[in-house]
Amino acid sequence: GAVVSQHPSWVICKSGTSVKIECRSLDFQATTMFWYRQFPKQSLMLMATSNEGSKATYEQGVEKDKFLINHASLTLSTLTVTSAHPEDSSFYICSASSGRDTGELFFGEGSRLTVL
Amino acid sequence: GQNIDQPTEMTATEGAIVQINCTYQTSGFNGLFWYQQHAGEAPTFLSYNVLDGLEEKGRFSSFLSRSKGYSYLLLKELQMKDSASYLCAVMDSNYQLIWGAGTKLIIKP
Repeated sequence: GAVVSQHPSWVICKSGTSVKIECRSLDFQATTMFWYRQFPKQSLMLMATSNEGSKATYEQGVEKDKFLINHASLTLSTLTVTSAHPEDSSFYICSASSGRDTGELFFGEGSRLTVL
Repeated sequence: GQNIDQPTEMTATEGAIVQINCTYQTSGFNGLFWYQQHAGEAPTFLSYNVLDGLEEKGRFSSFLSRSKGYSYLLLKELQMKDSASYLCAVMDSNYQLIWGAGTKLIIKP
């Protein structure tokens, strides 16, 4: 089946630094990718929808200047957490759709960010 | 507003059958998904229903009634590895996924 790879799986950084997370669709072209955030024991929270070649659509309450999303190609989307703070520590997950008709989303492995 | 409801936690015995219910109220409907999520991992896709009825896939089945805004996930011959959270999600008219909070399923020997 379709595979989505996310990197890095774990990242620890100092407060004030920026962290980039990559999401790649390995065997299909993904015109749309989604970025989620999950706090412990809570459901996934959609942060933004990333469309190839255009600006991402952010959900209400998500700071677009803090969470920079770039979808430069049909197989790669990146999320950059700028000037990270401890409250940004979370599990970040991306997903990609192989086609709207199938409706199936394929998830990356997730990236656990810890900001010290 | 949009709302997905599912039980917070359920307990079942190894080898038994369990049904996890999900009710929804969304602006439009473009399908209902069930995902399985083990602790610390990303969700994995289980099923997709867009028409009424039952979809069977091995030990897992998913049912949808659009008129009732209701779905269930049925797990048969439960195994210890089925202990996980099960997430119900509905795709609305804008093709956005609305997520339930998840049902934590505990399997006991």
